[in-house]
Amino acid sequence: DTAVSQTPKYLVTQMGNDKSIKCEQNLGHDTMYWYKQDSKKFLKIMFSYNNKELIINETVPNRFSPKSPDKAHLNLHINSLELGDSAVYFCASSQTSGGEQFFGPGTRLTVL
Amino acid sequence: SQKIEQNSEALNIQEGKTATLTCNYTNYSPAYLQWYRQDPGRGPVFLLLIRENEKEKRKERLKVTFDTTLKQSLFHITASQPADSATYLCALVLQTGANNLFFGTGTRLTVIP
Repeated sequence: DTAVSQTPKYLVTQMGNDKSIKCEQNLGHDTMYWYKQDSKKFLKIMFSYNNKELIINETVPNRFSPKSPDKAHLNLHINSLELGDSAVYFCASSQTSGGEQFFGPGTRLTVL
Repeated sequence: SQKIEQNSEALNIQEGKTATLTCNYTNYSPAYLQWYRQDPGRGPVFLLLIRENEKEKRKERLKVTFDTTLKQSLFHITASQPADSATYLCALVLQTGANNLFFGTGTRLTVIP
């Protein structure tokens, strides 16, 4: 069974569109995260979400919003997509905040 | 400004030798430090965690050291194998705040048969 799964694996879209990436974890973890990995492979935290408490990295544009329907899911919504949003987005989860993290396979977003 | 730098972007090493990767940080006070492995097209995979009051941690052929005075962590792979070829990432967890991971720039290790 996959521990952390993301859909879709690839997402190609036009500038200005709104898109969502879904993330699910079956590990029973309390904390979930979204990361962005750019073309230089630098991995940067975007959000962490723990017991309905959202911690936002201040550099993330407000076009990005995480939505958690329940503890096992943390979806990422992106409005008005821009060229610079092209990257690989990783979802992750951990049992405790700051502990070992389990990453999903990533979603490669390409904005044309 | 805050930085987490890993010694080199790429490191080539002969099979059987010990690979040593370096993670240096400035203007951070980490509570602990983690190391991850990332293969192409995949998400990072956790390897080891070391706390600020620990000097060394071992797991099979892996060894991590943590020197808070030098603000540096060393990651060693002994008896390296071609299967160890991957990108290795260090990540800091701070003493205050949301306990998020802040990743280094990564080192791409290639073990040559």
